[in-house]
Amino acid sequence: ILNVEQSPQSLHVQEGDSTNFTCSFPSSNFYALHWYRWETAKSPEALFVMTLNGDEKKKGRISATLNTKEGYSYLYIKGSQPEDSATYLCASHTGNQFYFGTGTSLTVIP
Amino acid sequence: KAGVTQTPRYLIKTRGQQVTLSCSPISGHRSVSWYQQTPGQGLQFLFEYFSETQRNKGNFPGRFSGRQFSNSRSEMNVSTLELGDSALYLCASSLVLKETQYFGPGTRLLVL
Repeated sequence: ILNVEQSPQSLHVQEGDSTNFTCSFPSSNFYALHWYRWETAKSPEALFVMTLNGDEKKKGRISATLNTKEGYSYLYIKGSQPEDSATYLCASHTGNQFYFGTGTSLTVIP
Repeated sequence: KAGVTQTPRYLIKTRGQQVTLSCSPISGHRSVSWYQQTPGQGLQFLFEYFSETQRNKGNFPGRFSGRQFSNSRSEMNVSTLELGDSALYLCASSLVLKETQYFGPGTRLLVL
């Protein structure tokens, strides 16, 4: 069993604030790191897939970085909006299966 | 393209019963994975199917089983239900193994 940890567990920010969360994973047996956004009453939605050390991905106001040597990924949200409120999941793929973290629950207060 | 669909969406069963959940992947996707989510836990991997073959299995008892049909639709079965099986069961499909997964809305199972 592979331990994927996310921090913080939950976060409340004001609209317009920028924020970031961390995903830690074992650097051995690493194949890919996935980020998902999961809004209440909806299905998890894929945000990014990253495979190479130093990878940076961006989608609008959301970006992510990857450090496979030390086993962590950061997700950044610039200028948070209420519609960014969701649980953000990361998942490490070893080449055999996905291992998900428990997520960071983000609430953006208008 | 239609997304991943799961049926039923909600289910109430009693201990000892069995249940079958169904998942229809996105058209063209050949890989289907199943996950269980219970309060406070991350998504726990159950199994993954590709081309009708189980490719990987998570750490769940033998009461949990699944299969995939030639049209890539998948079913998951849980026999002799226990209270602890109450959870949200998510299905996800991808074009091939290891690629980005697209999730269905889930089936919420309550075992009384």
